Order: sequence, then C-alpha cells, then structure tokens
Amino acid sequence: DSGVTQTPKHLITATGQRVTLRCSPRSGDLSVYWYQQSLDQGLQFLIQYYNGEERAKGNILERFSAQQFPDLHSELNLSSLELGDSALYFCASSGRQYTGELFFGEGSRLTVL
Amino acid sequence: AQTVTQSQPEMSVQEAETVTLSCTYDTSESDYYLFWYKQPPSRQMILVIRQEAYKQQNATENRFSVNFQKAAKSFSLKISDSQLGDAAMYFCAYRSPSNFGNEKLTFGTGTRLTIIP
Repeated sequence: DSGVTQTPKHLITATGQRVTLRCSPRSGDLSVYWYQQSLDQGLQFLIQYYNGEERAKGNILERFSAQQFPDLHSELNLSSLELGDSALYFCASSGRQYTGELFFGEGSRLTVL
Repeated sequence: AQTVTQSQPEMSVQEAETVTLSCTYDTSESDYYLFWYKQPPSRQMILVIRQEAYKQQNATENRFSVNFQKAAKSFSLKISDSQLGDAAMYFCAYRSPSNFGNEKLTFGTGTRLTIIP
C-alpha cells in the first residue's frame, strides 16, 4: 500500500460527459502528480501541484483541469470526453524529504463509450 | 528535455534464469535519479529499484540489481532467479533533482517481461 488513495477505481461514461477523479496523497506529502496511461502505453505526465499551486504542466489537454485543495487532496477534471480519453489515470505524491521516487495510487480506469 | 528510451518492447526468460532489461536516457544534468518501476497485471506502479546519479555504486535490491553507466547514459536492470511473479511491464524512469517545476518522472515506453515456467 503506497498510501496514495484514488477514487473512483473504475468509471464508465459517455462521450461529451464530464468526470472528476480524486486523489489523496500520502500523509504529509505536498506534491501531487497526475499521469495518463493509455492502453499498453507508457505514462504521460499531465500536471503537478505543490501545496495548492500548479508547479509543472505536461501534455494536458485544455479540456482537462486540475486543482489541489488546502487539505492537499487533488482533483482532475475531464470534460467533453472523447473515446480517446479512455485510459488509466494515476495520481502520485512525493514527500517533504526528497528521496526521489514518486508513490503511486492504484489508478482510476476511465472508459468512455 | 530529458528522454528515456527502452528499446526492448518485450522480453522473455525461463523461470530461475537471469534477464537484463535495457534503458538509456538523455540529459544534460549531472545529478538526477533513475528508477525502475514494475507494473503487474493489477496495473499498480511498484518501485523496484532506485539509483542516485552521484553514487557510483550500483543499486541492489535482493534479486534486482542495476548496471548504471553514467558516461554512457545507460541504466539496465538485471533480474536474477526469475520468478513467475516477476512477470510485468517494467518502466525505466528519470527524475531531476529537486528543482522548482522540474520534479516529474519521465518514463520510458516500457518492456513487457514474460516468465516461462
């Protein structure tokens, strides 16, 4: 158990809809990262938040947005969903003591029909 | 920008044998972290091993060890005494040292490892 919690684990929705994925980082971790993994692909970095503020942005679509709240949990909002958005979305966190690795949640599997 | 290349999309090994997965990376930084993550069918991302670039000694974790060649920008993973539970997708990843806005992990495309009983 990495200590990073993601909900929901599975989500099925239709094209054009909007969903919200939630992530609770490990206790005390200030940084949250979101990654997208399409079928049998590598992990693509979407966005990072640090203590409530956006810190780095990757290849995140304009239809996607994220935020980190004062309690440090984060949400990834995906709107106007397309079939190609079907993927596994991972949240990861890293700690105050910089040891290098990220700790990953179990992912949220999104299926867009 | 840093890039990570895994040139072996698939590998297979007989149970109890040794296998080596390759990874190369490109960076202009002198200090960084390298990782191997394992993704079994459950899809969970599990850290296998970590290497700090400033350490010359190769990291080892039980049956897993790395061959870190900094000048060649190579970071291979050796799995000894392969077990059925080692079957997974293995990702090599690079991370800059703590630096505002550049702390993400950059992943390779992965190597799918099959263990043959």
